[in-house]
Amino acid sequence: ETGVTQTPRHLVMGMTNKKSLKCEQHLGHNAMYWYKQSAKKPLELMFVYSLEERVENNSVPSRFSPECPNSSHLFLHLHTLQPEDSALYLCASSQDRTGGADTQYFGPGTRLTVL
Amino acid sequence: GQQVMQIPQYQHVQEGEDFTTYCNSSTTLSNIQWYKQRPGGHPVFLIQLVKSGEVKKQKRLTFQFGEAKKNSSLHITATQTTDVGTYFCAGRNAGNMLTFGGGTRLMVKP
Repeated sequence: ETGVTQTPRHLVMGMTNKKSLKCEQHLGHNAMYWYKQSAKKPLELMFVYSLEERVENNSVPSRFSPECPNSSHLFLHLHTLQPEDSALYLCASSQDRTGGADTQYFGPGTRLTVL
Repeated sequence: GQQVMQIPQYQHVQEGEDFTTYCNSSTTLSNIQWYKQRPGGHPVFLIQLVKSGEVKKQKRLTFQFGEAKKNSSLHITATQTTDVGTYFCAGRNAGNMLTFGGGTRLMVKP
């Protein structure tokens, strides 16, 4: 619908597991983002990539590791997560990161539960 | 750092009543965006305001950017059940940092 897809849509993992979230945008955008959405902090920016280069990392714990192999794909690698990391993880893209071209196009999100 | 506050956090209205959510930034903004997230959905872009004092309308929705470019509002006239959801503002400051407000959750009683 919005041109941004995310897989999986739902994920349940234990604290010792390693998993990855995938995001793909079909809009020809140059910037991609990871957000965390929970009841405590409705929309929390985690990482920003512009032309495959990480430009913002908002003090996210190292158990979250992003990867942007090209401008269309973004991954979030997860390892040794905590139950408080359970949340909806939203991927977004924008034409560019600055100016008037930073409208965020969100994917449907991955609902993550850490047991 | 930059903070963007939204009030109220929740609002219950009777269908047909008006609704307003307010967004206030601790710093001057270069632009402000508004998004709507339906229950179980993801945020969807509604509009962007750039100029001081700018007012834009989309059917029953009126968006306003303050003269000082530090606050904004979204007003819905005669709410309908389809307006249910959470409305987020997002402000971008001169340092090019986009910060989302905490959102206002709107519930409409039929």
